[in-house]
Amino acid sequence: TQLLEQSPQFLSIQEGENLTVYCNSSSVFSSLQWYRQEPGEGPVLLVTVVTGGEVKKLKRLTFQFGDARKDSSLHITAAQPGDTGLYLCAGVWAGTASKLTFGTGTRLQVTL
Amino acid sequence: GAVVSQHPSRVICKSGTSVKIECRSLDFQATTMFWYRQFPKQSLMLMATSNEGSKATYEQGVEKDKFLINHASLTLSTLTVTSAHPEDSSFYICSARPDRGLSSPLHFGNGTRLTVT
Repeated sequence: TQLLEQSPQFLSIQEGENLTVYCNSSSVFSSLQWYRQEPGEGPVLLVTVVTGGEVKKLKRLTFQFGDARKDSSLHITAAQPGDTGLYLCAGVWAGTASKLTFGTGTRLQVTL
Repeated sequence: GAVVSQHPSRVICKSGTSVKIECRSLDFQATTMFWYRQFPKQSLMLMATSNEGSKATYEQGVEKDKFLINHASLTLSTLTVTSAHPEDSSFYICSARPDRGLSSPLHFGNGTRLTVT
């Protein structure tokens, strides 16, 4: 069974702090996505990375795909309370067509 | 943009009854749709891949006779939880990708909160 491990599982920080969330697998991804989910709603796509070593920025969020395409990170600069939510990485492993497998999730809480 | 609609958003049923959840792609066709289940404070777990016009593909450990999937058209997939029990209470989410854009991301519905009493 292919696993997608995220760390940390839970993060509680104050407004203005920086944080990094990691997503790791032992298998190679053909693509990897990051989502944010609010309670009672479906996940919302933040970014898709495809190329090893790729870095994408979305305002205060920076996403990096590992050179070997087995891992990824999400860095948030100057976190705000609006960043609170469940962050999920999700990958399509090479050879598994379009099936998307989600990571274990990181619950972020940003307080004033 | 592409929209996926799920109905109902919340449902409460008695143990032993069956519940049907609908997943519709509103402005695109989707040959393949995916059904996920999410328990409180956990991540999404893929249950099955729904294929229009053919049988669904279930993930290991998911009972196909309990979670019936029908994908009768290119815009509608349904998940029926048969003989529901309290342990089936969960958040069920569907997703779909437009057929015309196989490299495009999946679009997710807003989920269905099922409570079995």
